Amino acid sequence: GAGVSQSPRYKVTKRGQDVALRCDPISGHVSLYWYRQALGQGPEFLTYFNYEAQQDKSGLPNDRFSAERPEGSISTLTIQRTEQRDSAMYRCASSLSGFGDEQFFGPGTRLTVL
Amino acid sequence: RKEVEQDPGPFNVPEGATVAFNCTYSNSASQSFFWYRQDCRKEPKLLMSVYSSGNEDGRFTAQLNRASQYISLLIRDSKLSDSATYLCVVNRDNYGQNFVFGPGTRLSVLP
Repeated sequence: GAGVSQSPRYKVTKRGQDVALRCDPISGHVSLYWYRQALGQGPEFLTYFNYEAQQDKSGLPNDRFSAERPEGSISTLTIQRTEQRDSAMYRCASSLSGFGDEQFFGPGTRLTVL
Repeated sequence: RKEVEQDPGPFNVPEGATVAFNCTYSNSASQSFFWYRQDCRKEPKLLMSVYSSGNEDGRFTAQLNRASQYISLLIRDSKLSDSATYLCVVNRDNYGQNFVFGPGTRLSVLP
């Protein structure tokens, strides 16, 4: 069956531009997570949703980062006025329900800010 | 102290060896514990959940020590295909879904 998909897979942008990263979770999965992963590190929590409700956004680094999941399915992570330090792999994961459930990760979006 | 700490390795072991990884966590309120595996340039995948009583899945055994706040993973009879980075995962608070991933421990199983 279809897993978690993310688009684009690679994004190169110039400093100051806005970018939107898309995540398409496994159909029927209630929870959707966003992480950022630097090379040689584990994923760093950004935010998560249950259905369309954003339950915790404490990991978003600053107010340039926002996320939404308006219909409880597809989610978009938006970074405004990108900076070079935003360059990283952005990963999305989904789980069937929430607490204790296996998270299925997408292939990630590699963001490079020049 | 970091929320989740792991020895980054690398652990280089011969095929057939037994290898153990430890992970320590700082939040005593954490209730959810996992080991994920990540192959080079791939996404993390669940290896196993970690239960209070300890649990085993084939060649893999996970243990949780709440008093000392550490989790262990034991791999017996290592295979070449076990070469990967092993990520320890803990939730930040009680029954929340804010998960902290450790930096990972790299394992290389050598022929």
